[in-house]
Amino acid sequence: GAGVSQSPSNKVTEKGKDVELRCDPISGHTALYWYRQSLGQGLEFLIYFQGNSAPDKSGLPSDRFSAERTGGSVSTLTIQRTQQEDSAVYLCASSETQREWETQYFGPGTRLLVL
Amino acid sequence: GDSVTQMEGPVTLSEEACLTINCTYTATGYPSLFWYVQYPGEGLQLLLKATKADDKGSNKGFEATYRKETTSFHLEKGSVQVSDSAVYFCALSPYNNNDMRFGAGTRLTVKP
Repeated sequence: GAGVSQSPSNKVTEKGKDVELRCDPISGHTALYWYRQSLGQGLEFLIYFQGNSAPDKSGLPSDRFSAERTGGSVSTLTIQRTQQEDSAVYLCASSETQREWETQYFGPGTRLLVL
Repeated sequence: GDSVTQMEGPVTLSEEACLTINCTYTATGYPSLFWYVQYPGEGLQLLLKATKADDKGSNKGFEATYRKETTSFHLEKGSVQVSDSAVYFCALSPYNNNDMRFGAGTRLTVKP
């Protein structure tokens, strides 16, 4: 079956514009995660969805960042009024459940460049 | 808060050399520990994991042992191959928490 997919693979935008990043998890996976990989910073947890429960937003860096997950499947990460420091690779991952930290399967990421 | 620290790269080795990438953690309670690998042009994938003290995770010739006394989870391989060239991330998941904390990553290049 298909793995986690993300789109677009690359996005260049101007400072101040809004961007939307999409993640399609593996079919049947109930848990979905967003991470950010900034140069020299390592990976940073952003937000987590488990089924239809309210998401864990504890990692979102500012109120310009938001995410939703429609129908328990596809997720969209939205960054409003982008800043240059938002430039990073945004990674999505899914797992079958959140029980006992099952293996997370990562997508290829969206590389965002804010000019 | 909980965090991991891994050795800085880049690391360059010749084929068949021994590899150790150090990882130490700071956590309250008993976290689960992971190594993820990112091959060139690909997404992250789980390499191995350990969920309690003294557990040894192993996969593809790589091993790491969860050492509570030294708060470490060093990644080792006895004989690396060119195909092992990648970025390796140490990570932890705090006990009973959805979060996952990653190290900065260590880039490994193996030369023939």
